[in-house]
Amino acid sequence: AQSVTQPDIHITVSEGASLELRCNYSYGATPYLFWYVQSPGQGLQLLLKYFSGDTLVQGIKGFEAEFKRSQSSFNLRKPSVHWSDAAEYFCAVGANNAGNMLTFGGGTRLMVKP
Amino acid sequence: EAGVAQSPRYKIIEKRQSVAFWCNPISGHATLYWYQQILGQGPKLLIQFQNNGVVDDSQLPKDRFSAERLKGVDSTLKIQPAKLEDSAVYLCASERTANTEAFFGQGTRLTVV
Repeated sequence: AQSVTQPDIHITVSEGASLELRCNYSYGATPYLFWYVQSPGQGLQLLLKYFSGDTLVQGIKGFEAEFKRSQSSFNLRKPSVHWSDAAEYFCAVGANNAGNMLTFGGGTRLMVKP
Repeated sequence: EAGVAQSPRYKIIEKRQSVAFWCNPISGHATLYWYQQILGQGPKLLIQFQNNGVVDDSQLPKDRFSAERLKGVDSTLKIQPAKLEDSAVYLCASERTANTEAFFGQGTRLTVV
């Protein structure tokens, strides 16, 4: 069965600093990988996804993520964090068959200091 | 285009009562999902529909949860009877076709007291 681990429950960074959120997955085949962001009271918004090809994926809002098969990781990065990036971030793995039945990690709550 | 619509936004019920949630997916989206998100956790898939057929309901607690999508558009998720541990946000998501991008609604927050 597939699983996703986000080791950091909370992260606090200063505005303008760089950010890296960790994600490790377990899946028997080549995974479909996703990062979602959830602001309070809002639904989940897709930041980026990896299906195949270039292992460095660019997303919206200046985010990127790198798929590393050898480490079973898909870490999310941003070079300079903005106060509006404060939210909860979820990594997810999708079964690479019909449909995006997603298995989510527990989430990382990002706080941004002024 | 309009997003995924869910109602109600909030619901408070007593344990052993029944409750229903409604989801209207994005127009033209054939695939629909229901997820349960317990406070402090990531969403957990409950059921996936393709048009009006169930693709996967292996994680749906069928003794108390049911879902339908009769005409391949709107969907309802029902809990009967509710338990305290059902308190969660119930998220609906839709997708134009499999393996594209799932769009999520804002969810229904259920509190069982």
